[in-house]
Amino acid sequence: EAQVTQNPRYLITVTGKKLTVTCSQNMNHEYMSWYRQDPGLGLRQIYYSMNVEVTDKGDVPEGYKVSRKEKRNFPLILESPSPNQTSLYFCASRSTHRGLFTNQPQHFGDGTRLSIL
Amino acid sequence: AQKITQTQPGMFVQEKEAVTLDCTYDTSDPSYGLFWYKQPSSGEMIFLIYQGSYDQQNATEGRYSLNFQKARKSANLVISASQLGDSAMYFCAMREGGNSGYSTLTFGKGTMLLVSP
Repeated sequence: EAQVTQNPRYLITVTGKKLTVTCSQNMNHEYMSWYRQDPGLGLRQIYYSMNVEVTDKGDVPEGYKVSRKEKRNFPLILESPSPNQTSLYFCASRSTHRGLFTNQPQHFGDGTRLSIL
Repeated sequence: AQKITQTQPGMFVQEKEAVTLDCTYDTSDPSYGLFWYKQPSSGEMIFLIYQGSYDQQNATEGRYSLNFQKARKSANLVISASQLGDSAMYFCAMREGGNSGYSTLTFGKGTMLLVSP
């Protein structure tokens, strides 16, 4: 089954304790991205990756890091989490096949609810 | 300026009635794609329907259709014969950029739809 898998689904942690949210897709997609969702703000992109070893900042990258060492994995790293990073996080992926890009929907993981105390 | 505007924070509809969720967008790129996603209370993001800027006809997918008015830059989602399971948050999103394949998806802030018996 084609899917994007995020772990953990829920995490409560404390300020300053480094954490990693993993994301893996089995669709051989080139493009992967991370979003955070906050009430009244919709989804905002944190980072994205166009392929292995190619990453770039989205709209709200401060306080986050990512890496793309393998095509299927795109972990989100919070080196020193703070309470304002409490949010619902989504990983997504899609194909970037030329000529078809406009109709390729992003496939989303089920989300990770992070609470930073 | 916001690229995607959803002016209805919340909508109520009775079961079996049709409902229209508004979405306007802002772009100067002639090539773009518009997407609608549904987010039920369980949190996952579900792709519903897509409309390309060059598509001649309005997109339809089962009970979902898109009222695409290019000159007005609007892409309203129409849900016919609402069901209780349609109660969810709905997001409109846009991807710009021709055939680069790499442009990002920008989301609106969402509309919460509640369907009553």
